[in-house]
Amino acid sequence: AQSVTQLGSHVSVSEGALVLLRCNYSSSVPPYLFWYVQYPNQGLQLLLKYTSAATLVKGINGFEAEFKKSETSFHLTKPSAHMSDAAEYFCAVSVQNQGGKLIFGQGTELSVKP
Amino acid sequence: DAEITQSPRHKITETGRQVTLACHQTWNHNNMFWYRQDLGHGLRLIHYSYGVQDTNKGEVSDGYSVSRSNTEDLPLTLESAASSQTSVYFCASSESGTPGTAFFGQGTRLTVV
Repeated sequence: AQSVTQLGSHVSVSEGALVLLRCNYSSSVPPYLFWYVQYPNQGLQLLLKYTSAATLVKGINGFEAEFKKSETSFHLTKPSAHMSDAAEYFCAVSVQNQGGKLIFGQGTELSVKP
Repeated sequence: DAEITQSPRHKITETGRQVTLACHQTWNHNNMFWYRQDLGHGLRLIHYSYGVQDTNKGEVSDGYSVSRSNTEDLPLTLESAASSQTSVYFCASSESGTPGTAFFGQGTRLTVV
């Protein structure tokens, strides 16, 4: 079975500071990993995904994540936070041949202070 | 542009009533999913479908049902609404063979009183 744990339900950073949102996964088979972002009162939008190619994945809006098999981690980073990055972020895992079903972490709310 | 739309966006209903939430996608995706979002739980899978006439139970399927009569629609029915089903519901769709790259609707906020 697969699972995802996001460390920290709330993260607050200053504008211009590094953003680091942590995600650890559990999977008995090679996983596909995703980060989605949810802005207030909206649906989820894909930020980036790892599907067994390059371990460093670049996404939209300057975000990137690195797949580390030895640490079972897929942390999301952005070098410099912007006010518009304030949102809820979800890490999710999917498994090949399971038709795109996603298992989500609990979510991390990112606040950006001016 | 292709899209996935949910209706209604907000609904208040009474305990015991049957409620149906609509989901319509114009991506022509075979895979469709219903999730519920609750604080502290992230999104949890309710039901999913891989094509017409195919439906499957997810992690939290009790009290919910779906049917898939065409590619575009996957309505979610609460047979007898309960207060525990107060939540935000998201529909999503994805192509077959695309690992988990799902497109989400805007969500339906359901309140059961």
